[in-house]
Amino acid sequence: DIQLTQSPSFLSASIGDRVTLTCRASQGITPYLAWYQQKPGKAPKLLIYPASTLQSGVPSRFSGSGSGTEFTLTISSLQPEDFATYYCQQLNSFPPWTFGQGTTVEIK
Amino acid sequence: EVQLLESGGGLVQPGGSLRLSCAASGFTFNNNAMSWVRQAPGKGLEWVSTISASAGSTYYTDSVKGRFTISRDNSKNTLSLQMNSLRVEDAAVYYCARLSEGAAPAAADFWGQGALVTVSS
Repeated sequence: DIQLTQSPSFLSASIGDRVTLTCRASQGITPYLAWYQQKPGKAPKLLIYPASTLQSGVPSRFSGSGSGTEFTLTISSLQPEDFATYYCQQLNSFPPWTFGQGTTVEIK
Repeated sequence: EVQLLESGGGLVQPGGSLRLSCAASGFTFNNNAMSWVRQAPGKGLEWVSTISASAGSTYYTDSVKGRFTISRDNSKNTLSLQMNSLRVEDAAVYYCARLSEGAAPAAADFWGQGALVTVSS
């Protein structure tokens, strides 16, 4: 099974900050990497798939990049509504479709 | 408007059974593969099972193989998950998720609100 490791697990940032979240895979998965956002008590929302394609309606401050085994999600200017937990998911090799353990972005 | 409404969650004793349903609307249900993803309290997301659009193919995570069965009724726009021999570690919010149309592999582009399953004696 492909393992995904997200870093950091927890990130404290301020409004307007540029933040970068990383997802590392145990083997190459280009470009089949998705990013989801989850707010407390809510269902996840697909932000980016494949690795660098923004889903319709997602603000342009979000961007995805990477290839091979290392991928990043960048928020160019953090907004109040962006404080949430972010998960990566690989779809290259299935089953299983694995998720990373998540990165929680909180207000500094 | 796309809607996925889960039902059937609840409290069950270890070893018991539960059937989750997901009523889909707002899209052509038989065009999309569908998945169940769960989230234990305070934990991350875990993929559970996927069924193809035609129901011809099904996939399960190892921990539920032989205990859970995914199915769909395309005439009723309904996805189901039959869960037998439930264990304490199966307790979670179970999300129904639509996989995007088009070229595979597809990501989950729309999710239901979730159904809570509690397994306890």
